[in-house]
Amino acid sequence: EADIYQTPRYLVIGTGKKITLECSQTMGHDKMYWYQQDPGMELHLIHYSYGVNSTEKGDLSSESTVSRIRTEHFPLTLESARPSHTSQYLCASSARTDLKTQYFGPGTRLLVL
Amino acid sequence: SQKIEQNSEALNIQEGKTATLTCNYTNYSPAYLQWYRQDPGRGPVFLLLIRENEKEKRKERLKVTFDTTLKQSLFHITASQPADSATYLCALDDTGRRALTFGSGTRLQVQP
Repeated sequence: EADIYQTPRYLVIGTGKKITLECSQTMGHDKMYWYQQDPGMELHLIHYSYGVNSTEKGDLSSESTVSRIRTEHFPLTLESARPSHTSQYLCASSARTDLKTQYFGPGTRLLVL
Repeated sequence: SQKIEQNSEALNIQEGKTATLTCNYTNYSPAYLQWYRQDPGRGPVFLLLIRENEKEKRKERLKVTFDTTLKQSLFHITASQPADSATYLCALDDTGRRALTFGSGTRLQVQP
């Protein structure tokens, strides 16, 4: 079982609200990732980080932002949630020397009304 | 354009049989390929990694093959069990890319 945690697991929120999805890992991994996944669909990389103070956007355009102030923590923020943001958000991490093998958290399922 | 293809239709097999899942890719030159298992509502879990210079890799009841000429990987589960029912994703690392690229997965259903 990977030591990577996400909170909340489920979130129902109204349009226009600001939300932060939390992700923490205790494995000391340098690299962390955020993916978005709709039911039955592939994972889309939306953000990644190579280490503290390093963040970049992924392949899928996203209105969310991320920060990496501490190695173990990689929160994702939506300033103004919209129904189009409804999805599952998965956080993952990998060690620098581990051929990008990724360890995933349980995910946050977000519903924006 | 780059593409990873996995059977979108679910694979239904009887308990005890061997399940074979396929991952085909185009316009990638992966140094290695990985297979993950994903249960409903949960994050993927890493199963196996195979490098481009390896033909086959085994782990307990799992076997993966990798043919860079055919641009294909096969994932086998022998003596399948109902607990093996899940979605299986293949993922590629392409030189220079920042992260793995995942296929959409194939759902396996093992009937008792």
